[in-house]
Amino acid sequence: DAMVIQNPRYQVTQFGKPVTLSCSQTLNHNVMYWYQQKSSQAPKLLFHYYDKDFNNEADTPDNFQSRRPNTSFCFLDIRSPGLGDAAMYLCATSRPPDTQYFGPGTRLTVL
Amino acid sequence: QKEVEQNSGPLSVPEGAIASLNCTYSDRGSQSFFWYRQYSGKSPELIMFIYSNGDKEDGRFTAQLNKASQYVSLLIRDSQPSDSATYLCAVTGGGADGLTFGKGTHLIIQP
Repeated sequence: DAMVIQNPRYQVTQFGKPVTLSCSQTLNHNVMYWYQQKSSQAPKLLFHYYDKDFNNEADTPDNFQSRRPNTSFCFLDIRSPGLGDAAMYLCATSRPPDTQYFGPGTRLTVL
Repeated sequence: QKEVEQNSGPLSVPEGAIASLNCTYSDRGSQSFFWYRQYSGKSPELIMFIYSNGDKEDGRFTAQLNKASQYVSLLIRDSQPSDSATYLCAVTGGGADGLTFGKGTHLIIQP
């Protein structure tokens, strides 16, 4: 059974057109993370929610926002995607101090 | 800035041999250490985690940690072609901290 679900699995958007990626979890974990992984690079943490507390990484561009309306769902909003934002976006969850579990990822293409 | 270094490879190992993957990290405050396997186009899958100095074994996999040397390794015994993937080393300061990943080592098991 899928525990961390990401939708859609593939997203194509146009340059500058806002896009929202979705993550849901059935694990009841209180921490949810978003990572960006560009081709042949390491996953890079964008931000995370500890319960309702939002924690932004210092170098995450303002173009990236996140919402967590409840424990199960978390969204990544990209307000004006540029060509450089094409990447795999990975959602992960954890209940500290346990390990993080990743969803299948959403591959974003920007035309 | 926290850094995790890995040899990008490719590391080529004959089937049935031992594959040895290495990782160093810069932050002495790191508390938890992880090895993830990532197949092309897929999300990272947790292989092992280790918190204390020494060895930790799980089936064909052994993780080794030396905090004094800031060094983590993964040994894969009896390597199989299905082990061919990119292996990501990741560290965290603990709690709800996000993971800092290395760029990964591309492992090829030759039949």
